[in-house]
Amino acid sequence: EVQLVESGGGLVKPGGSLRLSCAASGFTFSSYAMNWVRQAPGKGLEWVSSISSTSSFIYYADSVKGRFTISRDNAKNSLYLQMNSLRAEDTAVYHCTRGPSDYIWGSYFWGQGTLVTVSS
Amino acid sequence: EIVLTQSPDTLSLSPGERATFSCGASQSVSSSYLAWYQQKPGQAPRLLIYGASSRATGIPDRFSGSGSGTDFTLTISRLEPEDFAVYYCQQYGSSPFTFGPGTKVDIK
Repeated sequence: EVQLVESGGGLVKPGGSLRLSCAASGFTFSSYAMNWVRQAPGKGLEWVSSISSTSSFIYYADSVKGRFTISRDNAKNSLYLQMNSLRAEDTAVYHCTRGPSDYIWGSYFWGQGTLVTVSS
Repeated sequence: EIVLTQSPDTLSLSPGERATFSCGASQSVSSSYLAWYQQKPGQAPRLLIYGASSRATGIPDRFSGSGSGTDFTLTISRLEPEDFAVYYCQQYGSSPFTFGPGTKVDIK
């Protein structure tokens, strides 16, 4: 069974940093594209970033480009999102998602998410 | 950037009725990389349809997707009580992999 468990969320001040992690199990992590998708309280879904299996392809939403960095450690079956220069509008639940294969960027499996709150 | 629009914003229906959702794209979605997701309150979204018309594993056959290019449709043939939720479309053919704003289905 595919399992994605996010961690690392919390309360951070504007301008601060946070690193999210996603522990993957139940599949061969190194074979799949992975994504981060967020949802602000009471709002819709927003795609944040995607990474291919060997990190050769990486994409970011304009809203986070230059501030967030996606990475992965295939030996540890883990996906990361380093978030710097955080703003109030980054407040959201951040979901780790898995695609159906490499280079296909849909979110076929979802973690429950971790809440990031940016507030002074 | 491909902008997705969904209509209507809200659909008020009764159990047993047919629900039809539209998702329009500002540009053609490559290779029909269009997905539909269902989200219930307090839960993570769940994939319903991928590739515009293929049902995900475990999704009942009352859910169906159709369309290509810039116009896509999700249909629920007969609403069950558990289908009252928010439905999102997403294109994942070209970055940024945008979502639509969602359609809420509530009980009439």
